[in-house]
Amino acid sequence: GENVEQHPSTLSVQEGDSAVIKCTYSDSASNYFPWYKQELGKRPQLIIDIRSNVGEKKDQRIAVTLNKTAKHFSLHITETQPEDSAVYFCAASFSAGGTSYGKLTFGQGTILTVHP
Amino acid sequence: DTAVSQTPKYLVTQMGNDKSIKCEQNLGHDTMYWYKQDSKKFLKIMFSYNNKELIINETVPNRFSPKSPDKAHLNLHINSLELGDSAVYFCASSQAARGGGVRNQPQHFGDGTRLSIL
Repeated sequence: GENVEQHPSTLSVQEGDSAVIKCTYSDSASNYFPWYKQELGKRPQLIIDIRSNVGEKKDQRIAVTLNKTAKHFSLHITETQPEDSAVYFCAASFSAGGTSYGKLTFGQGTILTVHP
Repeated sequence: DTAVSQTPKYLVTQMGNDKSIKCEQNLGHDTMYWYKQDSKKFLKIMFSYNNKELIINETVPNRFSPKSPDKAHLNLHINSLELGDSAVYFCASSQAARGGGVRNQPQHFGDGTRLSIL
């Protein structure tokens, strides 16, 4: 089955700096890679996702890059703010012809702390 | 309006008891999921139902039994609760994609049920 490794486990940055979180996956058939943000005591919320037919996607201060050959993808947050502090999870999933049921395999999570 | 709602939010009970968690989504999605998040924050899928049919069952003890009365509801019943069952259980839903060139769809999570076993 799929295995997703996420690094680092904790990341501390100063407000205004950039933050990068990296994930690697094992199943070359995986083709959907979402990122979730989970604040303390809250539910995971989708912040951005990327499919295997593109190499990069950006949404304001957040961007995700995908390297299919190396089987890794990364989350980039620019101009970090204290409200970006949370646990971030990457995930990978596979879909093919027919009905896709979206089994997500999650990374271990990264605790991001943005200091004012 | 909450898109994916779970009840109860907190559940504290004794070892050996049987308990249920309910989930409802008003997004019109076809697929619903149960995830377990342990004390180390690791998120792992347990079950998935598509339009009332079980499609994912991830090596979960048979003390856990999901039930989907209709595609908007997915409940989780747990028998003979054990200490190791203490966790946060999240329900999620997504729109199942069909046809050629099928694509995964984003999953929307509920607020979670924190289960504590005494």
